[in-house]
Parts: sequence; C-alpha cells; structure tokens
Amino acid sequence: GESVGLHLPTLSVQEGDNSIINCAYSNSASDYFIWYKQESGKGPQFIIDIRSNMDKRQGQRVTVLLNKTVKHLSLQIAATQPGDSAVYFCAEKHTGNQFYFGTGTSLTVIP
Amino acid sequence: EAQVTQNPRYLITVTGKKLTVTCSQNMNHEYMSWYRQDPGLGLRQIYYSMNVEVTDKGDVPEGYKVSRKEKRNFPLILESPSPNQTSLYFCASRRQGGNQPQHFGDGTRLSIL
Repeated sequence: GESVGLHLPTLSVQEGDNSIINCAYSNSASDYFIWYKQESGKGPQFIIDIRSNMDKRQGQRVTVLLNKTVKHLSLQIAATQPGDSAVYFCAEKHTGNQFYFGTGTSLTVIP
Repeated sequence: EAQVTQNPRYLITVTGKKLTVTCSQNMNHEYMSWYRQDPGLGLRQIYYSMNVEVTDKGDVPEGYKVSRKEKRNFPLILESPSPNQTSLYFCASRRQGGNQPQHFGDGTRLSIL
C-alpha cells in the first residue's frame, strides 16, 4: 500500500490564531492532492485541492502548499474558529483512479 | 441538494448474515467508491467503479462485493460478514475525467457480532 500522511495526531490552537496541518506523501507519481475535513458523525468534506503542477492554492481562509521536492503538503487555516475543530485528512491520487488517504490530524480550537 | 446517501447509517448484525449497504448519488457522477475507516488506519478503498457495469478492486476488497447496474447506485454487499468487517464505511462519488474531488456520504457504522 501507499504511505500517505505522516500526521501529528492532534493539534490545539487558540481561537483566532492560524493553524498549520502537515502531510507527507511517498509517491512522486501523485498528480492531485486534496484536503478534507471530517466532523464527528459525518463524512469527509472537501476543503481545497491542488494539482501537482502548482505550489500554492488559496481558498476562503485556507491555503494549501505543495512541496514536491520533499513530498510535503500543508493546509493553513487563517483565524481559526471553533467551527474548524475537526479531523483533517490529506489525500493523494496517482495517475489513475485510486485515492490514498492519510490517517488525519485532529484539530481542537480553544476558545 | 447535491448529496451522497447511504443506508442504513447504523447496523448491528451477526456473523454470516448477508447484508447490503446502499449508496445513491444525485450528481450524475460516473465514479463511485467504497471505503472503510478504522482507527489509526485512515480511509482504505474497498472497491470503485468508473461507470455503469465497470468495477475494480481497491486495496481491501476481500469479503466484499459491489455492483453498478445504474449510474446513481453503488451497493456494497457483505455475503458472509465477519467480525473483522466491523467498521465505519463511506461511499463517495466524483465526476470522472481530470482531477476532481470525491464527495462523501455520512457513513454507515457496521457492527458484526
């Protein structure tokens, strides 16, 4: 199997601070990466994606950075809010149709 | 509302009793897949389908069957469930072609006694 997502298992941040969640992947052939958010009792929810020909992509309050040299992906959440508390997964897709997911990082926002 | 719907959401059953978990999507997506989620292991792909009548094994297909007779439905079948199939299951779909994210259902928690 593939190795995706050498995550820290938990991350705690103060409300209003920025959060950075990291992910490492092992397959240099991966061409597409996704970050998901999973709240308790729900399925993973798409946050943001990035293709392998990009280094950075920004969304609303979130930024994904891709460093292909060291096979590293990060998710930055600006001005973290209590509603951001969840488990965050990275996922990669090879040149094909299978997706591989990391084990996730549990983000806790402290009010 | 665009969504992936799984049923049932929870099921407790016994070893050997055949069960089916249904999955339906209303987004006209070609690609559908099933995952199981276990503590410390993340999401692992069981089966996927790129279109009607086309299915392929993922990483952990043993003990499972799927079918894709219609574009919107992709049921997961456990012919003879065993306790090691106790898990949280997710169905997902996405548009085929190019790089598109998957959309997930809210999960089915199966307990096999």
